[in-house]
Amino acid sequence: DTEVTQTPKHLVMGMTNKKSLKCEQHMGHRAMYWYKQKAKKPPELMFVYSYEKLSINESVPSRFSPECPNSSLLNLHLHALQPEDSALYLCASSQERGQGGAEAFFGQGTRLTVV
Amino acid sequence: GNSVTQMEGPVTLSEEAFLTINCTYTATGYPSLFWYVQYPGEGLQLLLKATKADDKGSNKGFEATYRKETTSFHLEKGSVQVSDSAVYFCALRALIQGAQKLVFGQGTRLTINP
Repeated sequence: DTEVTQTPKHLVMGMTNKKSLKCEQHMGHRAMYWYKQKAKKPPELMFVYSYEKLSINESVPSRFSPECPNSSLLNLHLHALQPEDSALYLCASSQERGQGGAEAFFGQGTRLTVV
Repeated sequence: GNSVTQMEGPVTLSEEAFLTINCTYTATGYPSLFWYVQYPGEGLQLLLKATKADDKGSNKGFEATYRKETTSFHLEKGSVQVSDSAVYFCALRALIQGAQKLVFGQGTRLTINP
């Protein structure tokens, strides 16, 4: 199983809403990532979790709040977003971050629209 | 610093044509190199990888060779199909500020016409 599963696939939310994106993998990977991808651009790293601990926050606004409840799950809690936050949000996982040759496996993404 | 430069697209070819997408990198140390493909409306799929100099990654008819002397990792395919139409990202994985990070190129949109 080399699958990273993200839910929901599509999400429309208002600027006052609170919602969560979910990501799950069962490959035994101990590093998990959130990326943001705008149209016609490469993915931009947001957060990295290593062994369920937040190890990298790429100066992401606090309206995005990540959570890693266990080694298989990764959430991204959204609150008071802005229209410019509309994007494809990608989750990825890989073997422990110290292994440089380890490839990252990506989910299908959540297409988020903020209205 | 660490960066990846891809040939600018979009690239449009006819079916069965030969494909080359150029990718060069700048890195401190010895990065691993990857090609990812993104089909419309989907996430990224790993296409192939190479972890050290002179390694050749290959998958689904695509190939790329890690060339340290020219800092390149060009993607090639001998005969493309309509189903190869997608966006292709070259990426390196390197130790940056104490953590392994993926650095992506800007992506090359490929369209194959029947």
